Amino acid sequence: GAVVSQHPSWVICKSGTSVKIECRSLDFQATTMFWYRQFPKQSLMLMATSNEGSKATYEQGVEKDKFLINHASLTLSTLTVTSAHPEDSSFYICSANRAGTEAFFGQGTRLTVV
Amino acid sequence: GENVEQHPSTLSVQEGDSAVIKCTYSDSASNYFPWYKQELGKGPQLIIDIRSNVGEKKDQRIAVTLNKTAKHFSLHITETQPEDSAVYFCAAESGTASKLTFGTGTRLQVTL
Repeated sequence: GAVVSQHPSWVICKSGTSVKIECRSLDFQATTMFWYRQFPKQSLMLMATSNEGSKATYEQGVEKDKFLINHASLTLSTLTVTSAHPEDSSFYICSANRAGTEAFFGQGTRLTVV
Repeated sequence: GENVEQHPSTLSVQEGDSAVIKCTYSDSASNYFPWYKQELGKGPQLIIDIRSNVGEKKDQRIAVTLNKTAKHFSLHITETQPEDSAVYFCAAESGTASKLTFGTGTRLQVTL
């Protein structure tokens, strides 16, 4: 099946710094990728839709200036958490749809802000 | 927007028994309903899905049923095994943007 890879799988950063998470579709091109956030023992909440070559579409309540999304190519989307604070600590997951098929999820990135 | 409810939140069954998880959705335009298994510290993994033009789909020990009129769909796992223990999420996709709305999750525990 299709593979979506996230990097890093975990990261610890100091409060106030920025962290970049990469999401790659390894064997297919993805014009659209999705970014989710998942707090412990909770469901996945969609943060934004990443569109190749255009601006991301953010869900209500998600700060676009804090969670910067760049989808510069058909196989790579990045999520940058700017000026991270402890409340941003969470599990971040991306997904990508190959045309006409189901969503494939990355393995997730555990962000801990100290 | 779409709202997906999922029950139960936890489910404990003995090995070999069946497990059933139920979800309801609110948007009648939703047309795709996947089920995901998530193990601790990992991303969700698709286990089965169903589209709105089908009422039932089966893949070995796993089956999904869909009732469009009632707007609910269910996951059935038969002959459960300890490795089935995980958190299961249902989801619904509506519109042309392929956006998924997830249920709240069910923690399944299969005991020996």
